[in-house]
Amino acid sequence: SAVISQKPSRDICQRGTSLTIQCQVDSQVTMMFWYRQQPGQSLTLIATANQGSEATYESGFVIDKFPISRPNLTFSTLTVSNMSPEDSSIYLCSKSSGDTQYFGPGTRLTVL
Amino acid sequence: KQEVTQIPAALSVPEGENLVLNCSFTDSAIYNLQWFRQDPGKGLTSLLLIQSSQREQTSGRLNASLDKSSGRSTLYIAASQPGDSATYLCAVTDNAGGTSYGKLTFGQGTILTVHP
Repeated sequence: SAVISQKPSRDICQRGTSLTIQCQVDSQVTMMFWYRQQPGQSLTLIATANQGSEATYESGFVIDKFPISRPNLTFSTLTVSNMSPEDSSIYLCSKSSGDTQYFGPGTRLTVL
Repeated sequence: KQEVTQIPAALSVPEGENLVLNCSFTDSAIYNLQWFRQDPGKGLTSLLLIQSSQREQTSGRLNASLDKSSGRSTLYIAASQPGDSATYLCAVTDNAGGTSYGKLTFGQGTILTVHP
């Protein structure tokens, strides 16, 4: 198993503002992953946060909108920038241990 | 592009029933398949991991099978309990020579309700 924590657990934000989500994992990993779950939808990978290099973004996601930091091997942040109501989702961070994927509890974001 | 579909979208059963959740994927070149459980406010819990070379995995009352050639997996839950109520997600990792490590494609999930 794995222990992954996220902060904040939820937030309500105004349109046009930004929110930074923090993720802490229990063991050192080279890669951490950020996923988004829009209301009524399944999870979609946003990007891979690589320690020591730039994050790798999936199709449809860009660094200007979702900047990611990875200052060390157990921590990462995802910022949702210039938010709109369409950004209302659950954001989850994840890590791999062997071939098993583990997820944090998620950050529920509501944008008004 | 890999697509994962889960059927049914929702299922309601009385306690004690055995049940089967279905997952299908369009590209059979997968590295592995995982079943997760999602509870509100608690993120995802990994239930079973099946490698592409395996046919099934078991954990307690759960049994997952994989037929890679046909692009299908099933999750069998025996003697269901109210505590099994949750959303069950199926996800595959594509076999892309290591570049897909940690990159899962998820299905939409099956919302399971087990009533006493």
